[in-house]
Amino acid sequence: DTEVTQTPKHLVMGMTNKKSLKCEQHMGHRAMYWYKQKAKKPPELMFVYSYEKLSINESVPSRFSPECPNSSLLNLHLHALQPEDSALYLCASSQDKGGGNYGYTFGSGTRLTVV
Amino acid sequence: GIQVEQSPPDLILQEGANSTLRCNFSDSVNNLQWFHQNPWGQLINLFYIPSGTKQNGRLSATTVATERYSLLYISSSQTTDSGVYFCAVERLNTGFQKLVFGTGTRLLVSP
Repeated sequence: DTEVTQTPKHLVMGMTNKKSLKCEQHMGHRAMYWYKQKAKKPPELMFVYSYEKLSINESVPSRFSPECPNSSLLNLHLHALQPEDSALYLCASSQDKGGGNYGYTFGSGTRLTVV
Repeated sequence: GIQVEQSPPDLILQEGANSTLRCNFSDSVNNLQWFHQNPWGQLINLFYIPSGTKQNGRLSATTVATERYSLLYISSSQTTDSGVYFCAVERLNTGFQKLVFGTGTRLLVSP
């Protein structure tokens, strides 16, 4: 299995809602990532988990809360979002530091709309 | 932080044409990848190429790490090649993973 699976593919939520994005990989990768991509812009790093511990938080607002329950799963909990948080949220994984010898593998993303 | 610039920003080709996309980066890197983002948002890994040359079908890539640039060649382009091409790099000796994306090249291949 060489895929990163993200669910849901599309999500519309109100500003008072709580929702979660899910990401799963079964490649034995020990690092997992959340990226945010606004329209016509490159992806930007939000969080890095390495060996199930949070190693990088790129000053992301607390309304985004990541969680890594085990080495295969990564969640992003959303609460009290703003319309400007509407974006494509991408999950990725890699073997460990430096991306190993194969680099990063990305999921197909969750397209989030906040109304 | 590291700067990653891609050129050209936009490219329109007729089907069958060849093209070269460039990625310049401002610091030494230990990881460089080329991705194709399709219209649905999926980032498809084309090459992991921190140095040297690789080929995969109609695509090939070369990274000259000492001069801090990478090139992606697309030959005999097809309409399915349309989308956005990103290079992304990890700076050398940062200790941990931080893949930084370039500005992207938007490619449109017309029939």
